[in-house]
Amino acid sequence: EAQVTQNPRYLITVTGKKLTVTCSQNMNHEYMSWYRQDPGLGLRQIYYSMNVEVTDKGDVPEGYKVSRKEKRNFPLILESPSPNQTSLYFCASSSGRVAGANVLTFGAGSRLTVL
Amino acid sequence: KQEVTQIPAALSVPEGENLVLNCSFTDSAIYNLQWFRQDPGKGLTSLLLIQSSQREQTSGRLNASLDKSSGRSTLYIAASQPGDSATYLCAVLMNRDDKIIFGKGTRLHILP
Repeated sequence: EAQVTQNPRYLITVTGKKLTVTCSQNMNHEYMSWYRQDPGLGLRQIYYSMNVEVTDKGDVPEGYKVSRKEKRNFPLILESPSPNQTSLYFCASSSGRVAGANVLTFGAGSRLTVL
Repeated sequence: KQEVTQIPAALSVPEGENLVLNCSFTDSAIYNLQWFRQDPGKGLTSLLLIQSSQREQTSGRLNASLDKSSGRSTLYIAASQPGDSATYLCAVLMNRDDKIIFGKGTRLHILP
């Protein structure tokens, strides 16, 4: 089944403790991206990647890092989480504009709470 | 900077009615526009994708139109059902930098 898999789905952590949210897709998609969703603010793009070893900042990249060492994986790293990073996070992938930009497929979401 | 606006923020209609959801964007340099559905606490499901060169797309009871020059898209839902209750979001893929910008969504409630 074609899908985007995120882990963990739920996480409670404390300020300053580094964490990684993994994202993997099995559709050979070029484009992968991370979003956070907050009440009243909607979905905002954090980082995106057009291909392996290519990453770009979205609208809210502060406090986050990403890497794209393999085509299928795009982990989101919070080096020193803070309470304002408490949010619902989504990973998504698509074939990208070069390949005709098909539909954006989303993971199920990761709910992160930073105490 | 691209801004995507969805009006109204919330909508309640009786079952069986046809309805229109609106999405507007300020920068017409888009590659495509997508409509999504999100159920509470769940991920997003793509409903329709319209390329910038297209005017509309249809899937079942759903029809999405795009007027790129005026910065508008509409999602038409025919014969609404209680199962259509969800939040509907639109998103544009930008030509110049491949960013994807979302609207804040319209929360739809279909009354049985």
